[in-house]
Amino acid sequence: SQQGEEDPQALSIQEGENATMNCSYKTSINNLQWYRQNSGRGLVHLILIRSNEREKHSGRLRVTLDTSKKSSSLLITASRAADTASYFCATDGQGAQKLVFGQGTRLTINP
Amino acid sequence: GAGVSQSPSNKVTEKGKDVELRCDPISGHTALYWYRQSLGQGLEFLIYFQGNSAPDKSGLPSDRFSAERTGGSVSTLTIQRTQQEDSAVYLCASSLDAGGYTFGSGTRLTVV
Repeated sequence: SQQGEEDPQALSIQEGENATMNCSYKTSINNLQWYRQNSGRGLVHLILIRSNEREKHSGRLRVTLDTSKKSSSLLITASRAADTASYFCATDGQGAQKLVFGQGTRLTINP
Repeated sequence: GAGVSQSPSNKVTEKGKDVELRCDPISGHTALYWYRQSLGQGLEFLIYFQGNSAPDKSGLPSDRFSAERTGGSVSTLTIQRTQQEDSAVYLCASSLDAGGYTFGSGTRLTVV
């Protein structure tokens, strides 16, 4: 069963704008992670937020976590063409020691 | 090595043949994972190795799929009697603890 679901499935914005992607999950978690994938190959780990954290920043990335709503958001500020990629959230639902990934959001930054 | 290495990067095989996919994790990473990704889809968990513990095989789709990890390092995913629905990108990842995964570049398997 799918643990994380991203919303929207696809997002297209102009360079310089901010991009917001959302993730919802179903069970309790220890942490939630966001990954980026270019060209359908290996994923790159972006950021990890623990269940007792509400917000985390890394450069132009801002992640929030609301465990009461079982949801997270990833904000990319001042987007660049190089940010064009698919973004996935992943959770370790119910203490499982493996991550379960959502279907991803395809982000396109238009120059 | 500096990253997770997977080989081959691409594999085309005839239906019914067996294939072996290899993963070299980051040295010292105790956990190793296999996922597969069909075109435009999310990642589907296949199998997880942690140290000397019994692997979590709960994601393997059929008994045609098997994997082993020798010496706590290199892992091989074997698919027997391949079918067209096995066509996908097979991704390997490793991690040191309950933190972020480091992924390899994947093996694109095409069954014709």
